[in-house]
Amino acid sequence: DTEVTQTPKHLVMGMTNKKSLKCEQHMGHRAMYWYKQKAKKPPELMFVYSYEKLSINESVPSRFSPECPNSSLLNLHLHALQPEDSALYLCASSQDRRGGRETQYFGPGTRLLVL
Amino acid sequence: DQQVKQNSPSLSVQEGRISILNCDYTNSMFDYFLWYKKYPAEGPTFLISISSIKDKNEDGRFTVFLNKSAKHLSLHIVPSQPGDSAVYFCAASGGNAGNMLTFGGGTRLMVKP
Repeated sequence: DTEVTQTPKHLVMGMTNKKSLKCEQHMGHRAMYWYKQKAKKPPELMFVYSYEKLSINESVPSRFSPECPNSSLLNLHLHALQPEDSALYLCASSQDRRGGRETQYFGPGTRLLVL
Repeated sequence: DQQVKQNSPSLSVQEGRISILNCDYTNSMFDYFLWYKKYPAEGPTFLISISSIKDKNEDGRFTVFLNKSAKHLSLHIVPSQPGDSAVYFCAASGGNAGNMLTFGGGTRLMVKP
């Protein structure tokens, strides 16, 4: 089983709203990732959690706030977003072995529209 | 500077024929390469990978070839099917990037019935 689930599938929010995206995996993976993908572009890394600790923040604006409550769950809290933040938000996970050469498995994504 | 490049933004192939998608990289420290398939508004689906210690990996209709000296990899799909129509991303990891993936820009494959 290589399934990563994400909710909601679609989200429309105003610029003053607060919302959260959720991601879950039950593969025992210890690394989890948030990516942002715009149309016709490759996924762009936002955050990496390794063993439930934030290990990489790719200079993401503070209006995006990640959280890893446990090894299976990853959240992305959204507040005061801008219309240009509209995109497909992807979650991924991998084993996080020290030797590298890992495959990341992606969820189906949340299509976010900011009005 | 793009470290992973897919120079063909699109490719059109007849059903039943071979599809060949190409990818070039510049970072000689990359040691693991992956291909993902993506339908619109869905997450990328992992297809096949290859380690730098190999030059070929095969899984059903999909074969990935790695030419380390040329820093080039290719994905062969034989025979191509209409359901293969999607955007294909190659990605690389290793070296200073560790497990982080560096993606190419993608190639849109259209398989005509």
